[in-house]
Amino acid sequence: NAGVMQNPRHLVRRRGQEARLRCSPMKGHSHVYWYRQLPEEGLKFMVYLQKENIIDESGMPKERFSAEFPKEGPSILRIQQVVRGDSAAYFCASLATGQGFLHGYTFGSGTRLTVV
Amino acid sequence: KQEVTQIPAALSVPEGENLVLNCSFTDSAIYNLQWFRQDPGKGLTSLLLIQSSQREQTSGRLNASLDKSSGRSTLYIAASQPGDSATYLCAVRGLGQFYFGTGTSLTVIP
Repeated sequence: NAGVMQNPRHLVRRRGQEARLRCSPMKGHSHVYWYRQLPEEGLKFMVYLQKENIIDESGMPKERFSAEFPKEGPSILRIQQVVRGDSAAYFCASLATGQGFLHGYTFGSGTRLTVV
Repeated sequence: KQEVTQIPAALSVPEGENLVLNCSFTDSAIYNLQWFRQDPGKGLTSLLLIQSSQREQTSGRLNASLDKSSGRSTLYIAASQPGDSATYLCAVRGLGQFYFGTGTSLTVIP
């Protein structure tokens, strides 16, 4: 998992607070994917971003969730007014421009969000 | 929509045994397939990546095969070791995202 940095590793929020999860892709990578892993479930796609653009957000809940990948800085997954059901591990993966389908994902170590 | 299934959900074997993990997918129009390992509370470590045009990939004691037409992949682990204990995830890639199976939890008993 070296290279894709996610922080924080663990995040505890009370119901109704906001959670901000950060992902710094590998150097030179301009494509970021976010996945969510609920307890006892597989990883589910949430959103695919390139620098300054959301390419596919079909897996993202319509309310309370948003994501961005600015020209400078990390990608941010933001969850507003968190509820207990948001408790999960959130993983970020990156790809380099032009690698397309020839390469697989490189994943970060994840952020484990607990809503109390 | 792509559906990925992994069987068995859990597997326990004595050390030294060879074993096979199975992955099936419903849409054969894939670009590649990737096997990952996930340790408890940790991230995902890529093990093997197979392009759609390939039949198999090998890395050390691991061998992954792909039969795209039948929608199946297997991960073969030779001479299993306690350190192989983890959850193994299969992911297939279509035009955009990867679709993941729910994994096989492997325990290798010393």
